[in-house]
Amino acid sequence: SYVLTQPPSVSVAPGQTARITCGGNNIGSKSVHWYQQKPGQAPVLVIYYDGDRPAGIPERFSGSNSGNTATLTIGRVEAGDEADYYCQVLEGSSDQVVFGGGTKLTVL
Amino acid sequence: QVQLQESGPGLVRSSQTLSLTCSVSGGSIISRSHYWSWIRQPAGKGLEWVGRLYASGSTTYKSSLNSRVTILMDASKNQFSLRLTSVTAADTAVYYCARDGNVGRYAFDTWGQGTLVTVSS
Repeated sequence: SYVLTQPPSVSVAPGQTARITCGGNNIGSKSVHWYQQKPGQAPVLVIYYDGDRPAGIPERFSGSNSGNTATLTIGRVEAGDEADYYCQVLEGSSDQVVFGGGTKLTVL
Repeated sequence: QVQLQESGPGLVRSSQTLSLTCSVSGGSIISRSHYWSWIRQPAGKGLEWVGRLYASGSTTYKSSLNSRVTILMDASKNQFSLRLTSVTAADTAVYYCARDGNVGRYAFDTWGQGTLVTVSS
C-alpha cells in the first residue's frame, strides 16, 4: 500500500516561513490535498490539487508537489497557525484514500 | 452551505456492530457532483479513511476494513450511514463524515464535527 511520510513536528518563530513536507513514491504524479486540524476540531482543507486554496484560506498558505515530495508552505506564520497538518492523496490503482501521519506545527 | 452531522451510540461492546449516521443539510446527498466518506481518528493519532459513497449508491472501502464495513445511502432522509461489524478496541476513534467533489475529487472540503465511539470489552 502507498505510504505518505511526514515529519512528526515542525517549529517556527512567528513571522517566519514554515515548510511541512509529505514524502511518497513519485508523489509528484498524484494530486495532494492538505488539512489543518486544531485540537478538538474537525480538519479543515487548506490546499487542494497540490497548490489551490479553498475560499477563505489566506494566501499565506501555498503548496507544491514534485518528484517524491509535496510541500505545504505557510508564510508569515501566526500563533493561530499552530495545529496538526495532514497530507492526503488518492492511490489511484486501488482507489484508496491515504493520509500522511500528520505534522504538529509549533509556533515558538 | 452544506453541513454534516454525525449521530449514533458513543459506546459499543466488543464484537458487536458499530452504526453511525451522517445527516446532510443544505444540499442533496444524491448530487452527482459530490461524494460522501467516513474518516476516523483514534485519540492522539492520525486520520484514517474508512470508505466512500457515490450518488449512484456504489461504494469503495479501505482495503483492510473491506470485510467489516458497509456504507449505505438513505436518500429519503438525506443521510448516509456507516456499519462496522465485529468491532474491537482498535476501532475506538472519533468518526467523521465528510464530503468531497465540491472543489475537487477526493478533496474533503466539508466535515462533520465528529463523534467519539468507544469500544468496550
